[in-house]
Amino acid sequence: EVQLMKSGGGFVQPGGSLRLSCAASGFTFSTYAMSWVRQAPGKGLEWVSAISNSGSLTYYADSVKGRFTISRDNSENTLSLQLNSLRAEDTAVYYCARRRDGQWLDHWGQGTLVTVSS
Amino acid sequence: EIVLTQSPGTLSLSPGERATLSCRASQSVSSSYLAWYQQKPGQAPRLLIYGASSRATGIPDKFSGSGSGTDFTLTISRLEPEDSAVYHCQHSDTFGQGTKLEIK
Repeated sequence: EVQLMKSGGGFVQPGGSLRLSCAASGFTFSTYAMSWVRQAPGKGLEWVSAISNSGSLTYYADSVKGRFTISRDNSENTLSLQLNSLRAEDTAVYYCARRRDGQWLDHWGQGTLVTVSS
Repeated sequence: EIVLTQSPGTLSLSPGERATLSCRASQSVSSSYLAWYQQKPGQAPRLLIYGASSRATGIPDKFSGSGSGTDFTLTISRLEPEDSAVYHCQHSDTFGQGTKLEIK
């Protein structure tokens, strides 16, 4: 069974940093691209970032480019998202998800809440 | 930049009826990259349809997708109370704003 278990998240002041992690199991992690998607309270889904299966290619939404960094450790089956220079508008539930060739997301983690507030 | 517009914003129907949800792209897009998700309150989204018309693993045939170019449709037949959810369409790295389906 594919599982994506989150860790990280929480409360941080504007300008602060957080690191989100997603532990994958039940599939060969190193053969799949992965993504992060967020959802602000009461809002729709927003794609944040993606990374190729090897980790050599990374992609970011304009809203987070230069502030967030996606990475993966295929030896540990772990996906990470480093969030720096956080803003109030980054407040959201962050989901990790497995990305398929057509860029759809076929398995999602349960999500972790990041709250940015003073 | 492609914009996906979903309609209606909210749809209220009765059990047994059929729901038709629309996703319109601001320019012609590849069907290969069009997906639909179901999201219930407090839960992560669940993939329903990919490639515009292919059902994901374990998704019942009451869910069907169609369309091409700029207009795509998710049809849910034989509605049940558990189909109440927000439905999102996605193309590549763009999501629509969602349609809330209420089964009363």
